[in-house]
Amino acid sequence: SYVLTQPPSVSVAPGQTATITCGGDNIGSEGVHWYHQKPGQAPVLVVYDDSGRPSGIPERFSGSSSGNTATLTISRVEAGDEADYYCQVWHLSGDPVFGGGTKLTVL
Amino acid sequence: QVTLKESGPVLVKPTETLTLTCTVSGFSLTNARMGVSWIRQPPGKALEWLAHILSNDEKSYSPSLKNRLTISKDTSRSQVVLTMTNMDPVDTATYYCARLWGVNWFDPWGQGTLVTVSS
Repeated sequence: SYVLTQPPSVSVAPGQTATITCGGDNIGSEGVHWYHQKPGQAPVLVVYDDSGRPSGIPERFSGSSSGNTATLTISRVEAGDEADYYCQVWHLSGDPVFGGGTKLTVL
Repeated sequence: QVTLKESGPVLVKPTETLTLTCTVSGFSLTNARMGVSWIRQPPGKALEWLAHILSNDEKSYSPSLKNRLTISKDTSRSQVVLTMTNMDPVDTATYYCARLWGVNWFDPWGQGTLVTVSS
């Protein structure tokens, strides 16, 4: 089965840039989607199809994907960005797959 | 405004069957290229996709849980129902339903419902 690998945690100071990676075999050929999940809340889509941004999501959130790594970048990080972040693809096997999640801590 | 809301029991006993209902508003279950998925999250763990049903009634299940899951929809009531048989304590989780865009991403999600499996 297809596996997506995320770092368990990422820490960043307010105002800096956070980079969260998602590794998978040839993930650059898949559409990658990203969600954030704040404690006690449901996940929210923040990036779709590698780099698309849903309405209401700040421009500070951006995504890219190439080769075996997809990346979610959060610019000018704010305290409110602290959350768990999950990547997801719809693999050729026909089933959606989620990464293990990355906890973003704002120092 | 598109919303989804899960409902069902908060506590089930081992070996029992869980039935969860997702009631949607703001879109139709017959909208082309849309569907509804069920996804769960054990406490402190990652998201796990369970099943989806598309507008054309096509269904798909997680291979690891396929034998225990059934998904169906009632278009007139705007509801999608998931049943999971033979519940076990390891099935304790928050169960979410979410709108599925094409066969791609999930947006938005319901608030989730915590189901505990315990005798």
